[in-house]
Amino acid sequence: EAGVAQSPRYKIIEKRQSVAFWCNPISGHATLYWYQQILGQGPKLLIQFQNNGVVDDSQLPKDRFSAERLKGVDSTLKIQPAKLEDSAVYLCASSFWDDGTGGQETQYFGPGTRLLVL
Amino acid sequence: SQQGEEDPQALSIQEGENATMNCSYKTSINNLQWYRQNSGRGLVHLILIRSNEREKHSGRLRVTLDTSKKSSSLLITASRAADTASYFCATDEETSGSRLTFGEGTQLTVNP
Repeated sequence: EAGVAQSPRYKIIEKRQSVAFWCNPISGHATLYWYQQILGQGPKLLIQFQNNGVVDDSQLPKDRFSAERLKGVDSTLKIQPAKLEDSAVYLCASSFWDDGTGGQETQYFGPGTRLLVL
Repeated sequence: SQQGEEDPQALSIQEGENATMNCSYKTSINNLQWYRQNSGRGLVHLILIRSNEREKHSGRLRVTLDTSKKSSSLLITASRAADTASYFCATDEETSGSRLTFGEGTQLTVNP
C-alpha cells in the first residue's frame, strides 16, 4: 500500500515570500493532518480535516497560514508571508475511522517538507 | 502546549542493552502512542496503549501505562544499531477529538 506522499521535500525561501506544500494521503483515509515540527521538538498539530471539512484548526496561525482539502483527498498548506520562525519540517499524516474501535487512532505520516526561511 | 514530556532527553547505550524511555502527561487520555523518527524520515507508529490497559508488547517493545501517575514507559530490549532514532510519546486526550499531542522526544543512540 502506498504511503502518504508529500512534495516538495525541501524548500528554501526568503522571509515575506509565499510557499505551498502538497499532501496526498493514503487512499481511503478520511482524516488528514498537518503538523509543524521545529528542530529539536515534537510535532505540533496545525490543522485536521475530516473529508473536506475542518475538524480542528485551533493551533493554526490563521493570519499567515491557510490549508484546504477541496475534494476530500489531496491537501495543500500555504504560508503567506513566511517568517524566519516558520523554518521547520511540515508533516502530513492521515488516518481512517475504525468502526470496531470507534476511533481513528493510528496516524500514518509522510516524509515531510523541510522549509528554510532566510 | 506540550502534553507529553519524555525523559531522558537523550540516551546512549551499547548494542544488546535495553533502553527505557519515560513519558509523563497532564490530562485524561483515551490512549497513548509511541512513534519513532529516524534522521531525515517521517514518523512511524510503534505501539498504542489504551487508557484501560496497563501493559502491551510488540516484538522487542514493551509499553506500560499508569493512569494514576499519568505516565508511560517504553522498553526496547536487546537494542540494535538500527534502533537509533528519536522516540516520541503522543497522547490522545479525552477532550481533543482524536488530536494527538506529542512530547519533545528522547534521542536514542545505540552504539555498535
